[in-house]
Amino acid sequence: NAGVTQTPKFRILKIGQSMTLQCTQDMNHNYMYWYRQDPGMGLKLIYYSVGAGITDKGEVPNGYNVSRSTTEDFPLRLELAAPSQTSVYFCASAWEPQHFGDGTRLSIL
Amino acid sequence: QQQVKQSPQSLIVQKGGISIINCAYENTAFDYFPWYQQFPGKGPALLIAIRPDVSEKKEGRFTISFNKSAKQFSLHIMDSQPGDSATYFCAAGLSYNTDKLIFGTGTRLQVFP
Repeated sequence: NAGVTQTPKFRILKIGQSMTLQCTQDMNHNYMYWYRQDPGMGLKLIYYSVGAGITDKGEVPNGYNVSRSTTEDFPLRLELAAPSQTSVYFCASAWEPQHFGDGTRLSIL
Repeated sequence: QQQVKQSPQSLIVQKGGISIINCAYENTAFDYFPWYQQFPGKGPALLIAIRPDVSEKKEGRFTISFNKSAKQFSLHIMDSQPGDSATYFCAAGLSYNTDKLIFGTGTRLQVFP
């Protein structure tokens, strides 16, 4: 049972580039979330989804986009990477409790 | 109103000691209070959770104490072990509004032998 799988684990981007962070879960959970984790700041919610075809903004959505075409997948898109988006990104599924992936460490230079 | 304040930022405890991490919340509507444990390079994982209808919940060496009137809750780790060294996050949420899990800023715990 893989749980929540995030790819890639690490990535370095140049300013202005775009990329998609992948998240897949095999537990048939309806709820999925994207967080960013910055040192000393805890986890901030970027976007969430309550089911296929339904997404909504969290606390810090600017600069990101998401889609949810299937129950399993919830990709996060960065269109124009900025240094402020350097962070560790976590995907999670379910509500009580939330099951987290191991994160994507993203650096934008 | 949506903040969860966590302290201390870091904690050093000797093996066998008691580790205590405190959290305070503002929104009295919160009804779900989980604690997550995170090891380096890994995602957070649920450690223990409590609801406001009880004042204490214990699972092994881990205990949550909850004070509804003070809007505070804390994690106690008894007989702390080096394997407990991790970052701990408290959180608060609303069962009926599943986008509202608000995390504290985290406590880095180091347990020395």
